[in-house]
Amino acid sequence: LAKTTQPISMDSYEGQEVNITCSHNNIATNDYITWYQQFPSQGPRFIIQGYKTKVTNEVASLFIPADRKSSTLSLPRVSLSDTAVYYCLVGAQGGDKLIFGTGTRLQVFP
Amino acid sequence: SQTIHQWPATLVQPVGSPLSLECTVEGTSNPNLYWYRQAAGRGLQLLFYSVGIGQISSEVPQNLSASRPQDRQFILSSKKLLLSDSGFYLCAWGVLRGQLTTDTQYFGPGTRLTVL
Repeated sequence: LAKTTQPISMDSYEGQEVNITCSHNNIATNDYITWYQQFPSQGPRFIIQGYKTKVTNEVASLFIPADRKSSTLSLPRVSLSDTAVYYCLVGAQGGDKLIFGTGTRLQVFP
Repeated sequence: SQTIHQWPATLVQPVGSPLSLECTVEGTSNPNLYWYRQAAGRGLQLLFYSVGIGQISSEVPQNLSASRPQDRQFILSSKKLLLSDSGFYLCAWGVLRGQLTTDTQYFGPGTRLTVL
């Protein structure tokens, strides 16, 4: 199973763009990269998923270089409500389970 | 649309007492089902997952067990709770998409368990 490494915490201010990078050096050919967001006392919520290049939705963008050994979640113009823990995951072979790390705790200040 | 339910929302139990947490999914069939535990300020720990009725895989040896009596029902149990069982328990469901593994998971509201 591919292991991911991401910063423990990040701070930002409202209105700024936040980029959280995740390393996954041992990603397998069939693995997707998925990001989740978790607020306190709630279950994680799916944000975005990609396989290569760039993916964008109404919430975030995901940048994946050609070697797929890392990925960057980009949150445009963050607000206080974006304060949460963000998890980077790589899909396990067979798709039967995902491994959550400790995530990146993003704190947005006014 | 799909929904996932967990109950109870909060639970306070004495050490040595039994446990039963229930999770049900609506609006989908043959989902993969998962139980996670999250200790305070920590990441999620996968406890069990199931790809079908009666099929349970355990990730961590412990005094907890899981069962899947119906396609969309997943139960987490314990015969005797330990203090270390306290935590936030999350149920999730997911569905494989084609041949490429992309098992996006959708989480329930969670159960906050405190063992005293």
